[in-house]
Amino acid sequence: QVQLQESGPGLVKPSETLSLTCTVSGGSISSYYWSWIRKPPGKGLEWIGYIDYNESTNYNPSLKSRVTISVDTSKKQFSLKLNSVTAADTAVYYCARQGSLYFFDYWGQGTLVTVSS
Amino acid sequence: QSALTQPASVSGSPGQSITISCTGTSSDIGSYNLVSWYQEHPGKAPKFMIYEVTKRPSGVSNRFSGSKSGNTASLTISGLQAEDEADYYCCSYAGSSWVFGGGTKLTVL
Repeated sequence: QVQLQESGPGLVKPSETLSLTCTVSGGSISSYYWSWIRKPPGKGLEWIGYIDYNESTNYNPSLKSRVTISVDTSKKQFSLKLNSVTAADTAVYYCARQGSLYFFDYWGQGTLVTVSS
Repeated sequence: QSALTQPASVSGSPGQSITISCTGTSSDIGSYNLVSWYQEHPGKAPKFMIYEVTKRPSGVSNRFSGSKSGNTASLTISGLQAEDEADYYCCSYAGSSWVFGGGTKLTVL
């Protein structure tokens, strides 16, 4: 059974960089597409972007200027960096696998990141 | 504001059927048969329930079904059970990106 687990700081200061890592177990990371998705308080889910098995990336246009997603296949991890954060970036952040390009078949439990001084 | 519009809440009694709607635009739901649905219980990872509008992944109960008409997709749960009480999210491909709904809280009375 594929499992994903997010890790990283739960509190980030405004203007700093949010960094999260997703560790994949129970399956290969060398295939598929690997995404980050977030849920701000009181709002719906927002797709942030993905990295694929060729390390090609695709980002949400609304976040593209601030986002970097990378992968370390030797550690079976992929990571998210979001620059210049503000309170609007406070959210539960999920990592997910895209079993095909068009749906998300495995998710992590999510981790709350709060942006505050 | 979410890109796809879902009712904030729905409710039903055990054994009944409920339907959750998900309204998008001609740029997402209306253009692609690539709607998926996810179930989330508190503190748990979201679970993949429906893909490509009507298809169920292996292991998902046939009490869950999906449909689409125009710019609106729907998730129907028949024979409601207490374990179905959860939040439900729709998602649509929107041409190189994905959009989600705001989520619907299902209460089993």
